[in-house]
Amino acid sequence: EAQVTQNPRYLITVTGKKLTVTCSQNMNHEYMSWYRQDPGLGLRQIYYSMNVEVTDKGDVPEGYKVSRKEKRNFPLILESPSPNQTSLYFCASSFGASRQETQYFGPGTRLLVL
Amino acid sequence: KNQVEQSPQSLIILEGKNCTLQCNYTVSPFSNLRWYKQDTGRGPVSLTIMTFSENTKSNGRYTATLDADTKQSSLHITASQLSDSASYICVVSAGAAGNKLTFGGGTRVLVKP
Repeated sequence: EAQVTQNPRYLITVTGKKLTVTCSQNMNHEYMSWYRQDPGLGLRQIYYSMNVEVTDKGDVPEGYKVSRKEKRNFPLILESPSPNQTSLYFCASSFGASRQETQYFGPGTRLLVL
Repeated sequence: KNQVEQSPQSLIILEGKNCTLQCNYTVSPFSNLRWYKQDTGRGPVSLTIMTFSENTKSNGRYTATLDADTKQSSLHITASQLSDSASYICVVSAGAAGNKLTFGGGTRVLVKP
């Protein structure tokens, strides 16, 4: 089944404890992206990747890192999480970002930073 | 700064009725405009994607329109069903490669029997 998977789905952590949220897609997509969704603010793009070893900042990259060593995986790294990073995170992928490429979203990861 | 504004923020409609959601954007350079449906607690699902040259696109009971001159889009839901209760998000892609996405705040639709 074609899908985007994220792990973990739920995570409670403490300030400063490094964490990684994994994202994997099985559709051979080139474009992958991370978003956070907060009440009243909607979805905001954190980082995106046009292809392997190509990443770029979105609108809210501060406090996050990403890597794209393989086409299928795009992990989101929080080196030193803070309470303002408590949010619902979505990973998404598509064949490309432009034209008429449908973007597929993962199920979301709900993060609570204490 | 790129912005996408949606209205109304929320609306309640009776099952079987039609409704129209609005999206205004100030995004440059425009690449494409997408409408997503997001059920509570789940990832958004794509409904339509339109490029600059497209005026309208349908997906079942969902019809999106785009006026690139006025930078406005609408999503029309025909003969609403209870399963249409969700948030509808307008997303505009910018840049030559369309890789920078700006999301609207969404319109929350509640369909009542």
